[in-house]
Amino acid sequence: ELKVEQNPLFLSMQEGKNYTIYCNYSTTSDRLYWYRQDPGKSLESLFVLLSNGAVKQEGRLMASLDTKARLSTLHITAAVHDLSATYFCAVGNNNDMRFGAGTRLTVKP
Amino acid sequence: NAGVTQTPKFQVLKTGQSMTLQCAQDMNHNSMYWYRQDPGMGLRLIYYSASEGTTDKGEVPNGYNVSRLNKREFSLRLESAAPSQTSVYFCASIRAGTGGISSGYTFGSGTRLTVV
Repeated sequence: ELKVEQNPLFLSMQEGKNYTIYCNYSTTSDRLYWYRQDPGKSLESLFVLLSNGAVKQEGRLMASLDTKARLSTLHITAAVHDLSATYFCAVGNNNDMRFGAGTRLTVKP
Repeated sequence: NAGVTQTPKFQVLKTGQSMTLQCAQDMNHNSMYWYRQDPGMGLRLIYYSASEGTTDKGEVPNGYNVSRLNKREFSLRLESAAPSQTSVYFCASIRAGTGGISSGYTFGSGTRLTVV
């Protein structure tokens, strides 16, 4: 059974600092997604990673995928308050997509 | 606006009552999904419909039924609500094929359900 583990589950960081969120999964998969969720809101797609070594960047966020290690990272560069949200990774195929528990990120001034 | 529309946004039920959550998408997507979100557990798949006319169980189907009414609409029914079904429910859809894979799921805004 596919299991997805994210860490850390809670992350409090200062503005301007860098940090990385990790997403480990237990079986091979053909895709990995990162989503953002603001409190009380729906999930917004951030990145889709489809192949080993894939790297995607959008603003201060960069996601990468290592399929051999079954690991994806979401790197935050010079955090700003607007990045405060919960971040989920999701792994699998269309009909069996498993989500991590989420990382609640708080960026403090 | 194009997207996934869920109704209602909020609902309080008494134990044993029934209700149907509605979901409609206007993006001509083939596949539709119902997830529940509980604190600290991410999203878990309840049921999905890979295409019009088909439905299948996901990770946590017990206590739920679904109907894929047509290509646009996918409803989730709770026949006899229990407090354990208190959760936030999300409907999602995705286009079939490589185009869908590369763009990912589109989620509705969610239904916050409380069963007392």
